[in-house]
Amino acid sequence: NAGVMQNPRHLVRRRGQEARLRCSPMKGHSHVYWYRQLPEEGLKFMVYLQKENIIDESGMPKERFSAEFPKEGPSILRIQQVVRGDSAAYFCASSLKKTVPSYEQYFGPGTRLTVT
Amino acid sequence: DQQVKQNSPSLSVQEGRISILNCDYTNSMFDYFLWYKKYPAEGPTFLISISSIKDKNEDGRFTVFLNKSAKHLSLHIVPSQPGDSAVYFCAASEGGGSNYKLTFGKGTLLTVNP
Repeated sequence: NAGVMQNPRHLVRRRGQEARLRCSPMKGHSHVYWYRQLPEEGLKFMVYLQKENIIDESGMPKERFSAEFPKEGPSILRIQQVVRGDSAAYFCASSLKKTVPSYEQYFGPGTRLTVT
Repeated sequence: DQQVKQNSPSLSVQEGRISILNCDYTNSMFDYFLWYKKYPAEGPTFLISISSIKDKNEDGRFTVFLNKSAKHLSLHIVPSQPGDSAVYFCAASEGGGSNYKLTFGKGTLLTVNP
């Protein structure tokens, strides 16, 4: 049973370009969470999605960031017009059901985004 | 505003000895606490957790202690093994409908020397 998959593992973008980060949850999991880890910081919650629905995007910057989890295919975190401050590691986690309690989130290996 | 603080960026211990990793929090609404372990180039993996109604939880070599009045928790690893060398993150969540939202500390790099 494969774990949470994220690709690409490393992504380099120039300022102003778009970044698309993909997350395939564990088999059977329909709940996806995105976290961001800035340099020298802990992981910070960004967004929680279920299939075709955004449940909580309270941690996501209001502009340039969007997320989706379509009926078919991976969850996508999209960052438009990237800036240097977007350079970070982006982690995706998935769970079988809404996490009660929190330990049931399984994390992927992350995508390291570098903006030049 | 850091709600979960791990004030020691690194810790080095000898194999066989006890490792103690500390964590402080400021948010009184946190009612569930977790420790995650992270190796380089991998995602965090769950290690052990504790509910706010308890003050201790033990799982093999790992024990987590919670002191609610001091808003402090600690992870004890005994005996420490070289394979325990990793970054350890303390995390917390509030109760109720947003318990999926984890708040992490910055992590402590543990090195266990053979």
